[in-house]
Amino acid sequence: DADVTQTPRNRITKTGKRIMLECSQTKGHDRMYWYRQDPGLGLRLIYYSFDVKDINKGEISDGYSVSRQAQAKFSLSLESAIPNQTALYFCATRGGAGETQYFGPGTRLLVL
Amino acid sequence: QKEVEQNSGPLSVPEGAIASLNCTYSDRVSQSFFWYRQYSGKSPELIMSIYSNGDKEDGRFTAQLNKASQYVSLLIRDSQPSDSATYLCAVNRGNTGKLIFGQGTTLQVKP
Repeated sequence: DADVTQTPRNRITKTGKRIMLECSQTKGHDRMYWYRQDPGLGLRLIYYSFDVKDINKGEISDGYSVSRQAQAKFSLSLESAIPNQTALYFCATRGGAGETQYFGPGTRLLVL
Repeated sequence: QKEVEQNSGPLSVPEGAIASLNCTYSDRVSQSFFWYRQYSGKSPELIMSIYSNGDKEDGRFTAQLNKASQYVSLLIRDSQPSDSATYLCAVNRGNTGKLIFGQGTTLQVKP
């Protein structure tokens, strides 16, 4: 089984809709992250969390919110989706020897 | 100046050659450095991590770190077509727990 899972893997939604992307991990790491990836712009950090009570904005948090329901779960919400939020979204965890970061499989989101 | 800079490429090498991928970073206090490989549409996968100046070898991969020059590189020996991917350099930003990624270098290995 994968250590970091994301649901859904693909999502098509309409402008103005609220959607939630979910991430779960079995690695036991405290640190979790949400990134988006756009062609030519690389990976950009949206939000990150060092534990259930510690949530921080990344470089592009506007239009997004997060919830850390438990050590193993970190959800990303788009309150009112807009077309320029169309992107590939990755959840990641970090921990263990060397503080390695591990990525989930990604969610491909299309906002019409 | 970007915190982590990579040449976007594409870098094209023939099969069996050595591919050299380079990365520079701006934060002098960075202590942890990572190379990820990403196939199109897939998630980044860790290849190498390096924390000390010098070389670190793992199979066909060698990471090189020079903190004085703020430079980290990845060498891939005996390149294979399956190595064709985008390679992301990532640098830990101080004590923030955040990894900063370069935009990636696309490598093409031609048979």
